[in-house]
Amino acid sequence: NAGVTQTPKFRVLKTGQSMTLLCAQDMNHEYMYWYRQDPGMGLRLIHYSVGEGTTAKGEVPDGYNVSRLKKQNFLLGLESAAPSQTSVYFCASSYGGQTDTQYFGPGTRLTVL
Amino acid sequence: DQQVKQNSPSLSVQEGRISILNCDYTNSMFDYFLWYKKYPAEGPTFLISISSIKDKNEDGRFTVFLNKSAKHLSLHIVPSQPGDSAVYFCAASGADYNNNDMRFGAGTRLTVKP
Repeated sequence: NAGVTQTPKFRVLKTGQSMTLLCAQDMNHEYMYWYRQDPGMGLRLIHYSVGEGTTAKGEVPDGYNVSRLKKQNFLLGLESAAPSQTSVYFCASSYGGQTDTQYFGPGTRLTVL
Repeated sequence: DQQVKQNSPSLSVQEGRISILNCDYTNSMFDYFLWYKKYPAEGPTFLISISSIKDKNEDGRFTVFLNKSAKHLSLHIVPSQPGDSAVYFCAASGADYNNNDMRFGAGTRLTVKP
């Protein structure tokens, strides 16, 4: 039982490049989330999904897209990376909504030059 | 705007003493509050939560207190242990606010000295 895993752990991009971050969970959770963590800002919700095939915007969705084609996977895409997207990205999952415990992955550290 | 604030970026306490971490919120629609703990190079892990219908919730060495009128909550750790050294995030959400949009504070780094 791996819990929540994230791929890759680290990545360096140049401005304008694209990439996809993969999140996988093996707990059969319905809800999945993508957060970013910046110094002095805490975690901010980018996008979330309440089930396979569904996605919704969070607090800071601009510049990101997501897809949930399979229940266990939640992908976060950056179509044209910008230095402002330099951050640590965390994926999380939960069985129910926000009042259910969220289980977090180990994070992806992304640097955009 | 930061709707959940943790005004102390860091806190240092001696092993065996009490650690008190504070959190303030501005949105009265929040009715569920959580504390997460984060070690370096790991994701946050859930620690304890409290619903707005309660003013206290206890789990072993950890107790969360909620003062709704002051929009303030605190996490007490007694006794503090070196393994408690981590960053603690306060988070808030609400069924009426947006049940899927949890707001986090910036975190407080706790150091427990042996």
